[in-house]
Amino acid sequence: AQTVTQSQPEMSVQEAETVTLSCTYDTSESDYYLFWYKQPPSRQMILVIRQEAYKQQNATENRFSVNFQKAAKSFSLKISDSQLGDAAMYFCAYFKMEYGNKLVFGAGTILRVKS
Amino acid sequence: GAVVSQHPSWVICKSGTSVKIECRSLDFQATTMFWYRQFPKQSLMLMATSNEGSKATYEQGVEKDKFLINHASLTLSTLTVTSAHPEDSSFYICSAPEGAGTETQYFGPGTRLLVL
Repeated sequence: AQTVTQSQPEMSVQEAETVTLSCTYDTSESDYYLFWYKQPPSRQMILVIRQEAYKQQNATENRFSVNFQKAAKSFSLKISDSQLGDAAMYFCAYFKMEYGNKLVFGAGTILRVKS
Repeated sequence: GAVVSQHPSWVICKSGTSVKIECRSLDFQATTMFWYRQFPKQSLMLMATSNEGSKATYEQGVEKDKFLINHASLTLSTLTVTSAHPEDSSFYICSAPEGAGTETQYFGPGTRLLVL
């Protein structure tokens, strides 16, 4: 079964600084998708970024970028120029179409942003 | 992105009563929707997959008779917590992929259930 591991329960970053959240996963598949979702205090899940495994180029969305290392099964999220609004719980998730279209989530990382 | 709504956002009920939570896809059709349960500072736990026109698929350990799911139309799925008890108090979230076989899911804002 696929598993997703986020080894950092909590992280802190100074406003305007850069922070990297770690995620590793286990799969024997070669074609799949990876996601980062953000859950702020409102608890609304927000899609931050997605990566298709067959694409070697790392996905980027404004201040958010990923470091996708397929062989190492690693998918870290880098947040540049951190803002107070980035404070949230971040979830890494894996998706494979054939497995009931289900998302497999990691345990989450709480990100605190200091002013 | 696509929009998913949930109603109600907050519900308080007495022990032994049933509570219905609605999940709607507002600007797209969803043949499949997913229901999650989340405890504070924890990850989302998938409860069941709601399928339009057929029975829901429940995850192992989830009581089918306790959590009734009905996918009434291509834009509406409901979760009914029957004979609710305090241990059912939680945050319930639904999600839906924007299209059949689509990998990106959009989430509703969640429903906080408190059973007294």
